[in-house]
Amino acid sequence: DAKTTQPTSMDCAEGRAANLPCNHSTISGNEYVYWYRQIHSQGPQYIIHGLKNNETNEMASLIITEDRKSSTLILPHATLRDTAVYYCIVRVGPSEGAQKLVFGQGTRLTINP
Amino acid sequence: DAGVIQSPRHEVTEMGQEVTLRCKPISGHDYLFWYRQTMMRGLELLIYFNNNVPIDDSGMPEDRFSAKMPNASFSTLKIQPSEPRDSAVYFCASSFWGRTNQPQHFGDGTRLSIL
Repeated sequence: DAKTTQPTSMDCAEGRAANLPCNHSTISGNEYVYWYRQIHSQGPQYIIHGLKNNETNEMASLIITEDRKSSTLILPHATLRDTAVYYCIVRVGPSEGAQKLVFGQGTRLTINP
Repeated sequence: DAGVIQSPRHEVTEMGQEVTLRCKPISGHDYLFWYRQTMMRGLELLIYFNNNVPIDDSGMPEDRFSAKMPNASFSTLKIQPSEPRDSAVYFCASSFWGRTNQPQHFGDGTRLSIL
């Protein structure tokens, strides 16, 4: 699976949009971008995933560049409860062995009041 | 629906003792994963099962670790004998693969301390 690069930490003011970048310059054509987050003392929580089109759900939006070498997770109106470590993961689509998730160090996002 | 359920939430035991961690996946899920998280190494995949069969155990650190899945609703991760360096948070996750990229759902973990 392609390697990802994320900033170690970020800060955002409560109520503002939080934009978390991820670089995945070696991504292959059949690899998806997944985002998970881990709030302190809890298990990782799935947020969103995409292949090449932008995606939106009730939690966040995912913007993938046209060349697919980078993406941005957007939390439109950050709250204090969004303080967590955010992981960007790239993995292949449906195929045997594609279930494995490789977690990097992630971005520690702090939402400030 | 209930999520992935792990027990116990916390375990403190002495070095050399046998430790058994338990996991109940989400009903209908056909994949089950065991992860370990430490400050030094982050979140690592230990082993995963598909339809109760172990598929990849390359992440299991050594022979002291073993995992079983006797049926679709239960799995165990056993450490025997335990050592202080096994202290970590152990997570279980499950997913349904199907034909689309279904995400993994994680339990709240077992915080293990080996004295």
